[in-house]
Amino acid sequence: GAGVSQSPSNKVTEKGKDVELRCDPISGHTALYWYRQSLGQGLEFLIYFQGNSAPDKSGLPSDRFSAERTGGSVSTLTIQRTQQEDSAVYLCASSLDFGLPGAFFGQGTRLTVV
Amino acid sequence: AQSVTQLGSHVSVSEGALVLLRCNYSSSVPPYLFWYVQYPNQGLQLLLKYTTGATLVKGINGFEAEFKKSETSFHLTKPSAHMSDAAEYFCAVSDKSAGNKLTFGGGTRVLVKP
Repeated sequence: GAGVSQSPSNKVTEKGKDVELRCDPISGHTALYWYRQSLGQGLEFLIYFQGNSAPDKSGLPSDRFSAERTGGSVSTLTIQRTQQEDSAVYLCASSLDFGLPGAFFGQGTRLTVV
Repeated sequence: AQSVTQLGSHVSVSEGALVLLRCNYSSSVPPYLFWYVQYPNQGLQLLLKYTTGATLVKGINGFEAEFKKSETSFHLTKPSAHMSDAAEYFCAVSDKSAGNKLTFGGGTRVLVKP
């Protein structure tokens, strides 16, 4: 597709379970970002990938959160042992290069932990 | 560290009236500045951005913003509101030294009255 694609669009999980959220960036975009949008914290940066460089994980809130990017394209954000405070919308964005400002966002995955 | 402050979490305007959304930022280096719009259950859409050059930036849907370095502001305006402008608007600054990851303001929800 032409835009950033995220799946699933909605996910309900039980507390303590692991979840995986997927992001397909725009073709050819080398930079990929994950953000979280929650009522209490607003929009916050989680992690970004640029090409083959080591990712910037400075925004990950705990070691239960991890992300990988395979083949320089698709990315998966994994949350282990989910907690209720993990409930949020997880947004993925991509840009042609990390040096070019203004990323394109996907529709997000709404995660609800019950 | 960078920060963004949006004055007013909610703004109500009449259809046809001026839309003015205020944004002030803090950055130790010349910033890249952005306005994004979010419609219900959607991702973020880039309205406009300032990188360098002309300080008055025109974006999509008739919006524009002016970068004022002396005031550290990047206010968003639209001369005449339309019902379709009802959405949440986010001002953001990017960190050029760290992959252009975005720091967002708290958002301003715009209600347009007929």
